[in-house]
Amino acid sequence: DAGVIQSPRHEVTEMGQEVTLRCKPISGHNSLFWYRQTMMRGLELLIYFNNNVPIDDSGMPEDRFSAKMPNASFSTLKIQPSEPRDSAVYFCASSDPGQGRHGGDTQYFGPGTRLTVL
Amino acid sequence: QKEVEQDPGPLSVPEGAIVSLNCTYSNSAFQYFMWYRQYSRKGPELLMYTYSSGNKEDGRFTAQVDKSSKYISLFIRDSQPSDSATYLCAMRPYSSASKIIFGSGTRLSIRP
Repeated sequence: DAGVIQSPRHEVTEMGQEVTLRCKPISGHNSLFWYRQTMMRGLELLIYFNNNVPIDDSGMPEDRFSAKMPNASFSTLKIQPSEPRDSAVYFCASSDPGQGRHGGDTQYFGPGTRLTVL
Repeated sequence: QKEVEQDPGPLSVPEGAIVSLNCTYSNSAFQYFMWYRQYSRKGPELLMYTYSSGNKEDGRFTAQVDKSSKYISLFIRDSQPSDSATYLCAMRPYSSASKIIFGSGTRLSIRP
């Protein structure tokens, strides 16, 4: 398996522009997570889906952020309009709660998208 | 106050040394404890997993949980340069529906 796939790997944009980050989870995994990582705040959970349904979006900073999971193999995180404080590495992770005793806690992370908003 | 506190480091030790990484937490409901390792420019990967209190050993790595003190540790014996990475502790309550809370990570460097 190729693991979790994220695109783009790097994104540089200007303040006010729309940014769309993409994620393809590991095939067969039914939980998907979006995280943001910064030096100041560490790794923060933004939202997670179970069976394509958003379960907890309490970590989404504000209305400028939205996430969708139209099917089991694809998810997007959109920021509109983007601001310089959104600059961070955004990770997507997937897990299979049915896999083993702690399958649900074994989250497989993608390589991340490094976002810079100028 | 954060639910999970972790010293960010950086921590630099010579090759072969024993490394101790630690986290404290405030939520007594946490039951499952994990350590993730993150290499530079990569995503985190699960390294160790423990339930409730006690020790768990896996090769050169030992995870220790002291729930009475709300303190968890990861020990690395015979440290290698390849162990240089950021180590994040993570934990969650008993319910599998609860989200995992991550520490901010400790950056570790092993000097050859």
